[in-house]
Amino acid sequence: NAGVMQNPRHLVRRRGQEARLRCSPMKGHSHVYWYRQLPEEGLKFMVYLQKENIIDESGMPKERFSAEFPKEGPSILRIQQVVRGDSAAYFCASSAGVGSYEQYFGPGTRLTVT
Amino acid sequence: EDKVVQSPLSLVVHEGDTVTLNCSYEVTNFRSLLWYKQEKKAPTFLFMLTSSGIEKKSGRLSSILDKKELFSILNITATQTGDSAIYLCALTGANNLFFGTGTRLTVIP
Repeated sequence: NAGVMQNPRHLVRRRGQEARLRCSPMKGHSHVYWYRQLPEEGLKFMVYLQKENIIDESGMPKERFSAEFPKEGPSILRIQQVVRGDSAAYFCASSAGVGSYEQYFGPGTRLTVT
Repeated sequence: EDKVVQSPLSLVVHEGDTVTLNCSYEVTNFRSLLWYKQEKKAPTFLFMLTSSGIEKKSGRLSSILDKKELFSILNITATQTGDSAIYLCALTGANNLFFGTGTRLTVIP
């Protein structure tokens, strides 16, 4: 399957724990985007990364959230000390590069904070 | 601030009906407008529109952009139950997609 892969698909965390969400882009894509979808709301941009670089993190909450896309391995979205309001679906998308506006989405990780 | 407004918010039709979904927008620097279909999981790409007046077509789905009036429509003819989904419109920003809240389409057999 050459599509965007995300894992886990479902993640349950207690308040105060850490959540780690992983995304492997589509083969040949080097640009990764993370979006959050709250219940009954649209997708909201969080961060855009290329390998080893954060290009735009204007949509990331200032605290507790971080993202990386290392030279080897998947992109990781990390949420520290989760709170109930972090419960949402987190989608990763990838694109081929600059000037390629088509983004292809993974199946998402549904995070539930209890 | 960039803005994407989709209407209607939800729509219920019978199989075989034709539907038109609307997306109006305000943006400082237009690059492209994209349509996605979201069922239970990942949004799947439908169309990308960059030029006014050129219809894009894929089977029973078609879409067109009007850059003067700042809107796009997505048409689905002869709807089927498998068309039931949320249809998302998005603008391309400098580094991301800016989404509307979507139109929830339900097709009843």
